Amino acid sequence: GNSVTQMEGPVTLSEEAFLTINCTYTATGYPSLFWYVQYPGEGLQLLLKATKADDKGSNKGFEATYRKETTSFHLEKGSVQVSDSAVYFCASRGNTDKLIFGTGTRLQVFP
Amino acid sequence: EPEVTQTPSHQVTQMGQEVILRCVPISNHLYFYWYRQILGQKVEFLVSFYNNEISEKSEIFDDQFSVERPDGSNFTLKIRSTKLEDSAMYFCASSVVRNEQFFGPGTRLTVL
Repeated sequence: GNSVTQMEGPVTLSEEAFLTINCTYTATGYPSLFWYVQYPGEGLQLLLKATKADDKGSNKGFEATYRKETTSFHLEKGSVQVSDSAVYFCASRGNTDKLIFGTGTRLQVFP
Repeated sequence: EPEVTQTPSHQVTQMGQEVILRCVPISNHLYFYWYRQILGQKVEFLVSFYNNEISEKSEIFDDQFSVERPDGSNFTLKIRSTKLEDSAMYFCASSVVRNEQFFGPGTRLTVL
C-alpha cells in the first residue's frame, strides 16, 4: 500500500542554518505530495504542495521538489528562524480522499 | 481568515462511555474528514464525508464510529463505546476541492 517515510527528529539547528527534512513515498501511480506544519497548540497547516513530477512547491522560504526518480519530496529552507520551530509532516494523496502522513519531524531552532 | 474549529480541546472519558467530538468546518467547504494521531504515532485517516454520506473510511473506522452533519454547519464524530486504545488526538479537516485539506486544532481524547 501507499506510505510516507520521513526522517526522525528532533532536528536542532541554529538560526540562519540550512534545513533539510527528508521525505520519501511509496505509491501506485503518481500521488500529490504535501508538507504540513504544526505549531505548538495549533492544528496542521498546509505549508506547500506539488501535484506532479518535477513540480516545486514553495511557501514562506520553504521549498520541496517532487522527484519521481527517487520517490522523494524533501523539505528545504535556506535560513531558518526561531519562529520555524514546529513539527513538520510529509503527506501523500493518491486517487482517493485520504492523506497518508509520515510520522512528523520536530524542528527546534535556537537563537 | 476562516478556520476549522473543534470542541472540546480535551475530553476525558471512562472506558465504555460514548463521546461526541465536534467540528465546525469552513463554511463553503464541501468535503469533511476525520483523522487521529495516537501519541508518538502517525496521523491516520479515519473517514471522509461528502454530500451527506461517507465517501471513504479506513479499517480503523469500525461500527463503533459514526459521523454526522446534523445541521449544515457542524460535523461530528461519535465513538459509541470507547476503548483505552481510542485515546488519541482527533483532527477534523475540510476542503473545497479534494486536494487541499484544512485542519482544525484537534481534540485530545483520553480514555481512562
